[in-house]
Amino acid sequence: EDKVVQSPLSLVVHEGDTVTLNCSYEVTNFRSLLWYKQEKKAPTFLFMLTSSGIEKKSGRLSSILDKKELFSILNITATQTGDSAVYLCAVFPSSNTGKLIFGQGTTLQVKP
Amino acid sequence: GAVVSQHPSRVICKSGTSVKIECRSLDFQATTMFWYRQFPKQSLMLMATSNEGSKATYEQGVEKDKFLINHASLTLSTLTVTSAHPEDSSFYICSATRQFGSYEQYFGPGTRLTVT
Repeated sequence: EDKVVQSPLSLVVHEGDTVTLNCSYEVTNFRSLLWYKQEKKAPTFLFMLTSSGIEKKSGRLSSILDKKELFSILNITATQTGDSAVYLCAVFPSSNTGKLIFGQGTTLQVKP
Repeated sequence: GAVVSQHPSRVICKSGTSVKIECRSLDFQATTMFWYRQFPKQSLMLMATSNEGSKATYEQGVEKDKFLINHASLTLSTLTVTSAHPEDSSFYICSATRQFGSYEQYFGPGTRLTVT
């Protein structure tokens, strides 16, 4: 059964800290891994990773994929209170259905 | 852009009644729409995949007679929760893709259903 596992499930940090969120996966046929940020409503897209070792970066957020070890990390540097959210990792298998398999999410709270 | 709307955003209904939730792609044609439910502090659980003009494909464990999905046009899918019970209370989110099999899912803002 395809599975996506995130850790930690929750995290509390102070502004300015750097955090690393983890996502490991087991899927029969892997195509891509996606990261989303969810703040109370719908998830918003952050990154899509397809190739190993290539870092994707957007401002203070960055992410990288390791297809050999089957995991990805999402880094947030110099955290701000606005980074408080649930971060979801999802895997897009190599099928033609378009289905995403989501992990449980990591709830990040950034304190002032 | 790629905007997906849901209506209503919040609904409270009595046990035994049915509730319809609409999901619309506002500025693109959605070949596929997905329906998820999300319990507090948990991740999105896929309920069903809906392609325009065909029957929805339900995930294992999701009762198709209870959660009726209709995808009548390329911009509208509806989820009807029939004979709702308190355990159906949840956050329901839809998403839509422009192309069949695409990873790019555009999410709606969600509908908070409370069954009393």
